[in-house]
Amino acid sequence: AQTVTQSQPEMSVQEAETVTLSCTYDTSESNYYLFWYKQPPSRQMILVIRQEAYKQQNATENRFSVNFQKAAKSFSLKISDSQLGDTAMYFCAFMKHAGNNDMRFGAGTRLTVKP
Amino acid sequence: DVKVTQSSRYLVKRTGEKVFLECVQDMDHENMFWYRQDPGLGLRLIYFSYDVKMKEKGDIPEGYSVSREKKERFSLILESASTNQTSMYLCASSLPFPRGGYTFGSGTRLTVV
Repeated sequence: AQTVTQSQPEMSVQEAETVTLSCTYDTSESNYYLFWYKQPPSRQMILVIRQEAYKQQNATENRFSVNFQKAAKSFSLKISDSQLGDTAMYFCAFMKHAGNNDMRFGAGTRLTVKP
Repeated sequence: DVKVTQSSRYLVKRTGEKVFLECVQDMDHENMFWYRQDPGLGLRLIYFSYDVKMKEKGDIPEGYSVSREKKERFSLILESASTNQTSMYLCASSLPFPRGGYTFGSGTRLTVV
């Protein structure tokens, strides 16, 4: 079974600064997908970014980028120029490439952006 | 605007009651999922379905069952609610990956007293 570990229950950052959230995972699969989701106080889960394991290039979406280290099974999220609206729970998630599209999530990191 | 709708945002039930949590999607998605979310544990998969009348156990199916009689509706059933089932329940749907990602509902916060 796949497990996803987020070792930082809470983090904070000053507005306009950069923060990195950590995620590690355990799998015997060679091909898979990794995701970061954001859950603001509204409770609506929002996809932030996704990475396909067979792609070596790290994914980026505007101020959000990942550092994907396949050998180390590490998938960290970097948020640049943090904004107050980035305050949320962030979840790392894993999905096998060949499967039923079921996703496994980490325990989450609560990020607070301070003015 | 595509949607996954969960019937209740907040729900309070008594121990031993049979509880139905309903989830409806309007996107013609094949896959539907039920997760529970608890502080410090993240989202844990209870059950999922990849077709009408099909269901698969997730990681924590004990105490739960599901029903998918129509493509758009996926119901989570607590046969006899217990206090340890007090939690946030999230429903999601998707097309077969990688054609589509997950779309989540807004969650039902269930309290069992």
